[in-house]
Amino acid sequence: QSALTQPPSVSGSPGQSVTISCTGTSSDVGNYNRVSWYQQPPGTAPKLMIYEVTNRPSGVPDRFSGSKSGNTAFLTISGLQAEDEADYYCSSYTSSSTWVFGGGTKLTVL
Amino acid sequence: QVQLVESGGGVVQPGGSLRLSCAASGFTFSTYAMHWVRQAPGKGLEWVACIQSDGSIKKYADSVKGRFTISRDNPKNTLNLQMNSLRPDDTALYYCAKDLRGSWASDYWGQGTLVTVSS
Repeated sequence: QSALTQPPSVSGSPGQSVTISCTGTSSDVGNYNRVSWYQQPPGTAPKLMIYEVTNRPSGVPDRFSGSKSGNTAFLTISGLQAEDEADYYCSSYTSSSTWVFGGGTKLTVL
Repeated sequence: QVQLVESGGGVVQPGGSLRLSCAASGFTFSTYAMHWVRQAPGKGLEWVACIQSDGSIKKYADSVKGRFTISRDNPKNTLNLQMNSLRPDDTALYYCAKDLRGSWASDYWGQGTLVTVSS
């Protein structure tokens, strides 16, 4: 149950786009479309932003989008806003019928 | 509206036990799988355990297998986590989270209960 690999940090200016990667293996990300993304501002509980690779829950802005290629999933945030600054975590279902998270990525809006 | 309220956290010595609970409301608890996820201070999220809607299937992270037991009481809308043989690296904020219709994503999270394992 090794954690999924995310970059420790990414940054962008308001209005720009940023993409966060999440690399797993053929036992998790590569073989299942049960990849989700969470936003966690400091001191708060995680918030679901994307589920099943590409789906947005109601209320999540369409600036947030998800995709996958092979063993790597991606979260793209377009039209970056100051309120997007937070930690972001990916997660995936695994072949062991368990759940694994990424190490998290800190997004800084410059 | 959906609410998840965890309780039972506290300070415990290494080797000790603690039982966490999560009171659920605002949805039909008995029809959803539930998860426990923890976050050590300053660290990332770590999945702990999952239980299916009827309690028939339970899954655990390797780090807690054999020490933690997840359970649920559907008539009382309550999720539990019995934690035994606690270690300092179990120190974390423990969240309960509702599964999103079998997608292994969680659309609702509680605010967490803090467990500190220290002598």
